[in-house]
Amino acid sequence: DAGVIQSPRHEVTEMGQEVTLRCKPISGHNSLFWYRQTMMRGLELLIYFNNNVPIDDSGMPEDRFSAKMPNASFSTLKIQPSEPRDSAVYFCASSLEGAGANNEQFFGPGTRLTVL
Amino acid sequence: GENVEQHPSTLSVQEGDSAVIKCTYSDSASNYFPWYKQELGKRPQLIIDIRSNVGEKKDQRIAVTLNKTAKHFSLHITETQPEDSAVYFCAASEPSTLTFGKGTMLLVSP
Repeated sequence: DAGVIQSPRHEVTEMGQEVTLRCKPISGHNSLFWYRQTMMRGLELLIYFNNNVPIDDSGMPEDRFSAKMPNASFSTLKIQPSEPRDSAVYFCASSLEGAGANNEQFFGPGTRLTVL
Repeated sequence: GENVEQHPSTLSVQEGDSAVIKCTYSDSASNYFPWYKQELGKRPQLIIDIRSNVGEKKDQRIAVTLNKTAKHFSLHITETQPEDSAVYFCAASEPSTLTFGKGTMLLVSP
């Protein structure tokens, strides 16, 4: 298995532009997580899907952020319009089911987003 | 929701020394505590975990201890090596999601 796949790996955009990050979870995993990592705030959970349904989106910072999971093998995180404070590394992770014991979360390589 | 505090934020040791990283959590319902290692520019990877019904777990040079009463858990690395240099994150599971600590940058000098 190739593991969790994310694209693009790097994204540089200008303030006000729309940004779409993509994730393909490990086949057979039912849970998918989007995280944002910054020096100041560490690893923050943005949203959690289980069986393609958003379960907890309390970490989504504001209405400019949206996430979808149209099927079991694909998810997107969209920022519209983007702002410089959105600059961060965005990780997607997947697990068999949730985040408890025997449900290791496997992280993708991340997307480094820079908003100028 | 859960709150996880991690200390220290930076830890410098000499090769061969031991390193200890400590975390506290707030939600007594949390029952699973993984530790992730993140090398520079790489993704976080699970290195060891512990369930709430266990007090200690060891895997070669790394060990984790858990004190449920005090809501503390710690990572212990013995005989540190330069390749142990990385950022280490503790986390607590609620159980559907993980809440991560802010991370500890461990620097092991040869």
